[in-house]
Amino acid sequence: GAVVSQHPSRVICKSGTSVKIECRSLDFQATTMFWYRQFPKQSLMLMATSNEGSKATYEQGVEKDKFLINHASLTLSTLTVTSAHPEDSSFYICSVPGVNEQFFGPGTRLTVL
Amino acid sequence: GENVEQHPSTLSVQEGDSAVIKCTYSDSASNYFPWYKQELGKRPQLIIDIRSNVGEKKDQRIAVTLNKTAKHFSLHITETQPEDSAVYFCAPGSGGGYNKLIFGAGTRLAVHP
Repeated sequence: GAVVSQHPSRVICKSGTSVKIECRSLDFQATTMFWYRQFPKQSLMLMATSNEGSKATYEQGVEKDKFLINHASLTLSTLTVTSAHPEDSSFYICSVPGVNEQFFGPGTRLTVL
Repeated sequence: GENVEQHPSTLSVQEGDSAVIKCTYSDSASNYFPWYKQELGKRPQLIIDIRSNVGEKKDQRIAVTLNKTAKHFSLHITETQPEDSAVYFCAPGSGGGYNKLIFGAGTRLAVHP
């Protein structure tokens, strides 16, 4: 199956700064990737669908100006949390759809102080 | 949009007993029905999935049953072991798994020796 990596695995930042999270599909070309957010003891909530070469599709209630998604190549999608606040602290996970299943990255734990 | 409900939210069983988790969905276009296992701080791991042309699928101690008319599918774990303790999520989707997945709220399974 596809190997998906995320970088960084953990990041701590100050309130008001921006943080970029990378999702890479290491052995599989991905025209689509998905971004999820998971708060402690909660489920994965789909944030947006990242589309290679075009704008991302955001789920209802997700601020597109705050969570910037760029899918510039078939192997890389980035999520930038702009002007991060403590309530943005969460586990961010990407996934890459394959032929028969979706492949998840290992996740990025963001802590905003 | 898809509305997914998962029950129970917690489940405690003795080692060797069986466990059943049920997932109800609303979107009749859903045709892909996976179950994921997630351990603390890790990515979701696909444990079994079923597609809408099949009513039941089994893989050793794990099985999934689908009732498309009633729009629900269930995870069955037999002969539970302590290492089965984790959070389990259903995540129905369309496009055979290529499209976005909507996760249920999760079931925390505890298997006691």
